[in-house]
Amino acid sequence: AQKVTQAQTEISVVEKEDVTLDCVYETRDTTYYLFWYKQPPSGELVFLIRRNSFDEQNEISGRYSWNFQKSTSSFNFTITASQVVDSAVYFCALSSNFGNEKLTFGTGTRLTIIP
Amino acid sequence: GAVVSQHPSWVICKSGTSVKIECRSLDFQATTMFWYRQFPKQSLMLMATSNEGSKATYEQGVEKDKFLINHASLTLSTLTVTSAHPEDSSFYICSASDGPAYEQYFGPGTRLTVT
Repeated sequence: AQKVTQAQTEISVVEKEDVTLDCVYETRDTTYYLFWYKQPPSGELVFLIRRNSFDEQNEISGRYSWNFQKSTSSFNFTITASQVVDSAVYFCALSSNFGNEKLTFGTGTRLTIIP
Repeated sequence: GAVVSQHPSWVICKSGTSVKIECRSLDFQATTMFWYRQFPKQSLMLMATSNEGSKATYEQGVEKDKFLINHASLTLSTLTVTSAHPEDSSFYICSASDGPAYEQYFGPGTRLTVT
C-alpha cells in the first residue's frame, strides 16, 4: 500500500522568510511518481510539479525548489522569499503511474505567510 | 493546457434528495476519470475510478449505491449522490486523464451542502 506523510499540519512564517514543507512517502513500486499541489482558499488544486522515481535531480522553478531523496523516501518543497500569495494548503501526492492510476495524497500542510 | 470543468461549483440540497455533479474534459478525451472527496481541513480521498464505457471501480468503504458514477462519454462523467444526508456535505473534486502516459487534470471542485 502507498502512503504519504506530511508531518507539518500548519506552518506560519513571516513574509520573505524561506520555508520548507516536508513529505515522506512509502511505496513498494520501483516506478512511481511524486507530485506537489497547491490548494488556495478557492479550493481548486494547482499542479506544481511531478517527479518520477528515476529522476533524483533537484528542481528549481523561480522561488520554488524541490529536493527528492530516494534514500530517505522524501520529496521536500522549499519556497524561498515567501510571499502572502503563497498562503495555501500544500499537498504531496504519490502515484504508481501517470494518468490512469489514483493519486494518494498526504494530509496537507497549511502554510500561512504573515505580512 | 487541458481543462476540466465541474458543474455546479456549489450546491445546497435538502436531506433525502439526490444531486448530480458533472465533470467534463473540455479539450481532450478523458479515458479515465477519478472522483475524490475532501472533508473540511482534510485530505483528498479517492472515491472511485471510472473508465469510459465501463462500470466504475469504487474504493473500499464507498457505497456504490449511494454514489452513482456514470462515464458515458469520453468527455463527461457524472457523480450522483442519492438520498443525500448532512454527512455527505463535502468538497467533491474530479480529475481526468487521456491515457496512462498523460497527466491527471483536476476540476475546480463542487461544494455540496446538505441541509
